[in-house]
Amino acid sequence: AQSVTQLDSQVPVFEEAPVELRCNYSSSVSVYLFWYVQYPNQGLQLLLKYLSGSTLVESINGFEAEFNKSQTSFHLRKPSVHISDTAEYFCAVSVTNNDMRFGAGTRLTVKP
Amino acid sequence: EAQVTQNPRYLITVTGKKLTVTCSQNMNHEYMSWYRQDPGLGLRQIYYSMNVEVTDKGDVPEGYKVSRKEKRNFPLILESPSPNQTSLYFCASSSTLAGGREQYFGPGTRLTVT
Repeated sequence: AQSVTQLDSQVPVFEEAPVELRCNYSSSVSVYLFWYVQYPNQGLQLLLKYLSGSTLVESINGFEAEFNKSQTSFHLRKPSVHISDTAEYFCAVSVTNNDMRFGAGTRLTVKP
Repeated sequence: EAQVTQNPRYLITVTGKKLTVTCSQNMNHEYMSWYRQDPGLGLRQIYYSMNVEVTDKGDVPEGYKVSRKEKRNFPLILESPSPNQTSLYFCASSSTLAGGREQYFGPGTRLTVT
C-alpha cells in the first residue's frame, strides 16, 4: 500500500518569504497526488492535484507543487507567503478512490 | 452550492452512550468516506462506501459502524463510545468518474467522550 511522509511538522516563516513544504510518498504503482489545506476550525479543501501530464501543478492562490517521480516527492512551494496562508497542509496519495492516504500534516505559521 | 454537511459540529458525551454523526452530500457522488483526525497522525480512514449498500472497513474501523441506505447520506455510528474515540471526524465524498478523484470534505465534528 502507498504511504506519505511529510518531513516537517511545523514551518514558521515571515510574511513575504518563500516557503517549501516537503512531501515524500511510497508506492509500487502509479499514484495520484494531492495537497489539501485546512484553515482553523474548517474542513480540508483541495489546494492542487497531480493526476498525469505536466509535473508542475499550480493553485489559484500562488502555490505550486512539482511531481518528481525519481525522488518520489511532491513538494509544495510558494515564492511569497501571506498571513492568510497560515494553516495546516496535508499531502495525500491515492491509487484508487478508496485508498487515499494522508500525511501527518505540516502546520505553516506566517509571522508579520 | 455543492457541499458535504455534517451534524452535529460539536458533541460531548459519556462513555457507552450510543451516538450518530450524520453526513450528507448534494453532489450525487458515489463514494463517501469517514476519517478521524488526531494530532501528529493526520487523517485515518474509518469506513468507506463505494455506493448504496456497499461499505467496507478502512484503517481504523474498530468501535464504529456505518450504513449507506441512500446515495446522499452516510451516517457514522458509535454504539458504545469510549474516551479513545475522542477526535475530530470528517466525512468526505467523491465521484468515481475518471479524473474526479479529489475528495470533498465536510466541516468536521469534534467529539469528546468523557
